[in-house]
Amino acid sequence: SQQGEEDPQALSIQEGENATMNCSYKTSINNLQWYRQNSGRGLVHLILIRSNEREKHSGRLRVTLDTSKKSSSLLITASRAADTASYFCATIKNYGQNFVFGPGTRLSVLP
Amino acid sequence: DSGVTQTPKHLITATGQRVTLRCSPRSGDLSVYWYQQSLDQGLQFLIQYYNGEERAKGNILERFSAQQFPDLHSELNLSSLELGDSALYFCASSVEGLAGVHGELFFGEGSRLTVL
Repeated sequence: SQQGEEDPQALSIQEGENATMNCSYKTSINNLQWYRQNSGRGLVHLILIRSNEREKHSGRLRVTLDTSKKSSSLLITASRAADTASYFCATIKNYGQNFVFGPGTRLSVLP
Repeated sequence: DSGVTQTPKHLITATGQRVTLRCSPRSGDLSVYWYQQSLDQGLQFLIQYYNGEERAKGNILERFSAQQFPDLHSELNLSSLELGDSALYFCASSVEGLAGVHGELFFGEGSRLTVL
């Protein structure tokens, strides 16, 4: 079973709007990471948040982490058509364990 | 450009055949990870190597095997191929930090395998 589960599975918004994606996980983690994948391409790392952090920003991205609820959210502000992609959260539990990716959220930003 | 190189980019083969996918990690990265991405299974972790040694194992079939060589490049061998093995196979690399702190993964562009 998946460690991370993104929600929603698909999201369609207009350019300029904000997009919020959520990730829930099941066990304790070392850190949680968000990745973007353009269709048929490799995944690109967006942001990493450690288990002792609650919020991080990077440009138009804002990530929050709530370890008590075992959940994270990714907010993309002022979205652009170029943000159209699939977004994945990945968690890693302990040293020597593997990164586990959720099924992803497909974001479509309409011009 | 992530710095991770995967070859071949595309591969078409027949059922029962064997193929080898190759990955060169980013310069300085000691860890290599292999993932399989298919439409119905999502991104599945297969195996991780660290400095030539197997570090973690996921849902890798017995028909699949991998290794990491002294120069740190890695190969994923897929044998007795079945239609269901058609997928994108990604390699990723990372620098594992101290005390179990893992950094980001850098992904290659993938090898698209089609089994006919």
